Amino acid sequence: EVQLVESGGGLVQPGGSLRLSCAASGFTFSSYWMSWVRQAPGKGLEWVANIKQDGSEKYYVDSVKGRFTISRDNAKNSLFLQMNSLRVEDTAVYYCAREVGIWGQGTLVTVSS
Amino acid sequence: DVVMTQSPLSLPVTLGQPASISCRSSQSLVYSDGNTYLIWFQQRPGQSPRRLIYNVSNRDSGVPDRFSGSGSGTDFTLKISRVEAEDVGVYYCMQGTHWPHTFGQGTKLEIK
Repeated sequence: EVQLVESGGGLVQPGGSLRLSCAASGFTFSSYWMSWVRQAPGKGLEWVANIKQDGSEKYYVDSVKGRFTISRDNAKNSLFLQMNSLRVEDTAVYYCAREVGIWGQGTLVTVSS
Repeated sequence: DVVMTQSPLSLPVTLGQPASISCRSSQSLVYSDGNTYLIWFQQRPGQSPRRLIYNVSNRDSGVPDRFSGSGSGTDFTLKISRVEAEDVGVYYCMQGTHWPHTFGQGTKLEIK
């Protein structure tokens, strides 16, 4: 069964950092682009970042450039999102997705003092 | 950035009746490879998004054939031929042609 399981969310103060992880199983992880997409409470979807199969290309939405870093470990079938200098407006459920065709259940990040 | 504009934002529908959602992009979504990366998602209450349609009109595996996608260039439509109770939720279009990828605001479908 194809599965994506996110972890690492939680409560953090503004200016703080968090590292999200996404464990993939049931498919050849290294063959797919991977994405992070977020959804603020009660709001719509916002694409955050993408990474190519071998990690050689990465793309970010402007609002997170310079603060967030997407990475992957194909040997461990894992996707990551390092989030630094977090802001209140980064509060959201963060979803890991395989080429936006398969989604995880999401992990909640709350940025608040 | 490419702006995706959906209408309507709220869609009350009687069970068994058809429904239609429009999605317009601020730029053409035709990519240099000839494909048009317009995707439709369904998000049921309390659930993760689920892709329904990719590349304008291709249904994902397991998606009922009452869902169909059409359109070209900057103008796209998701149609549900006969709405069922399980179709309640929010529907999003997304463009995957240009960076950054962008979503529409979402259309909330409810049963009248």
